[in-house]
Amino acid sequence: AQSVAQPEDQVNVAEGNPLTVKCTYSVSGNPYLFWYVQYPNRGLQFLLKYITGDNLVKGSYGFEAEFNKSQTSFHLKKPSALVSDSALYFCAVTASGGSYIPTFGRGTSLIVHP
Amino acid sequence: EAGVVQSPRYKIIEKKQPVAFWCNPISGHNTLYWYLQNLGQGPELLIRYENEEAVDDSQLPKDRFSAERLKGVDSTLKIQPAELGDSAVYLCASSLGLSGDTDTQYFGPGTRLTVL
Repeated sequence: AQSVAQPEDQVNVAEGNPLTVKCTYSVSGNPYLFWYVQYPNRGLQFLLKYITGDNLVKGSYGFEAEFNKSQTSFHLKKPSALVSDSALYFCAVTASGGSYIPTFGRGTSLIVHP
Repeated sequence: EAGVVQSPRYKIIEKKQPVAFWCNPISGHNTLYWYLQNLGQGPELLIRYENEEAVDDSQLPKDRFSAERLKGVDSTLKIQPAELGDSAVYLCASSLGLSGDTDTQYFGPGTRLTVL
C-alpha cells in the first residue's frame, strides 16, 4: 500500500526567508509525486509534479520541489516566502503499475509572518 | 477557461435525509474524481470515472452513496440516508485522462456538508 507523510502540521516562516514543507512517501513501483495548495474555502490548486527526469522540479508561484529517491522524500521549497503563500499544502503520490488512486498527506499549514 | 464547478457550496441537512452534489468538470476532461475531505485530513478518493464508466469505486460506501456521470460530462454524487459522520467537504476534480496516474487533477471549490 502506498502512503504519504507530512511530518509537520504547521510551518512558520518570516516573509522573505526560505521555506521548506516536508513530504516523504512509500510506494511499490516508481513514484509520481504532486504538490497542491489549498486556500480557505477553495479547492486544491496544482503546484508541481515529479514524473521522471530532473530531480528538481519547478512549479507555479516560484515553488520548487526536490525528488530524493534514497530518502523517499519530495520536499517543497521556495527561496523567499510571501505572506500570500500562507495556506494549506498537500503532498500526494501515485505509482507506476498502480490503480491511479492518489494518496494524499494530511496537509501542512504554512504561515508566513510579515 | 472555466474551472471545475460544484454546487451547492454549502449544504445543511438533518440526519437520515438525502442529499446530492453536482459537478461540472473542465471542458474536454475525460476523467472525473469525487473525493471526501474531513477536517484536518487530505482528500480521500471515493470514485473515479473515465468518461461515463466508473473505474475506481472501491472506496465508495455503496450502501448509502451512489454516483453517476451521464453522457460522460456532469456528475452527481448522492447520499441516502445521510449520517452524522458524513459531515465533510466533498471535492470534485477532473483531468484530461491522457496519462493515467501522472495526470494533473484540477479541483473544484467543494461542497461543505453539515449533517445535524
